[in-house]
Amino acid sequence: QKEVEQNSGPLSVPEGAIASLNCTYSDRVSQSFFWYRQYSGKSPELIMSIYSNGDKEDGRFTAQLNKASQYVSLLIRDSQPSDSATYLCAVTLYSSASKIIFGSGTRLSIRP
Amino acid sequence: DAGVIQSPRHEVTEMGQEVTLRCKPISGHDYLFWYRQTMMRGLELLIYFNNNVPIDDSGMPEDRFSAKMPNASFSTLKIQPSEPRDSAVYFCASSLEPSRRGPNSPLHFGNGTRLTVT
Repeated sequence: QKEVEQNSGPLSVPEGAIASLNCTYSDRVSQSFFWYRQYSGKSPELIMSIYSNGDKEDGRFTAQLNKASQYVSLLIRDSQPSDSATYLCAVTLYSSASKIIFGSGTRLSIRP
Repeated sequence: DAGVIQSPRHEVTEMGQEVTLRCKPISGHDYLFWYRQTMMRGLELLIYFNNNVPIDDSGMPEDRFSAKMPNASFSTLKIQPSEPRDSAVYFCASSLEPSRRGPNSPLHFGNGTRLTVT
């Protein structure tokens, strides 16, 4: 089992709708969780971080964490064409709080 | 701040040649990471350093790969000899101590080096 798993997509969502991206992780005691966005040919950039169970909102983005289910998700409201990118889920391992492991990413496409 | 600086941006080399990738982290950052990204395997952590000391190199594929950080402002990733399967985008990233890492202290990535081994 991979340490961080994501559906590779592509996930196609109409403009203005809510895009929902999901991620599961294997280390039961992981402590920190991140969502990065990567445009084609560019480097990853952080868009959200979450450390405790529940929801965290930042503008159109909401991160949701459920440690019991080892599940973290990202919701993008009012999706825009500029949101089309690959979204990478990242997790720190309990064994090493500084070691960040990435999922393989979900490709999101927002259709006008 | 100029951000994390990687060089070269692109490298094309023949199988068997030595390749050296370079990285200058953000000044003041304690941690430096080397990742490799391919379509098949995604973004893989190769090795990371804390205060110039290698902490975990379990992701380094094999002995052909080596990484050094001689000082706080410079790191290299060397592949010798290179093989076609090493073709990938190699990213360097830096960050502050985990205790200080949060929404305002993310992992900062360089622009990457696209390596092609023919």
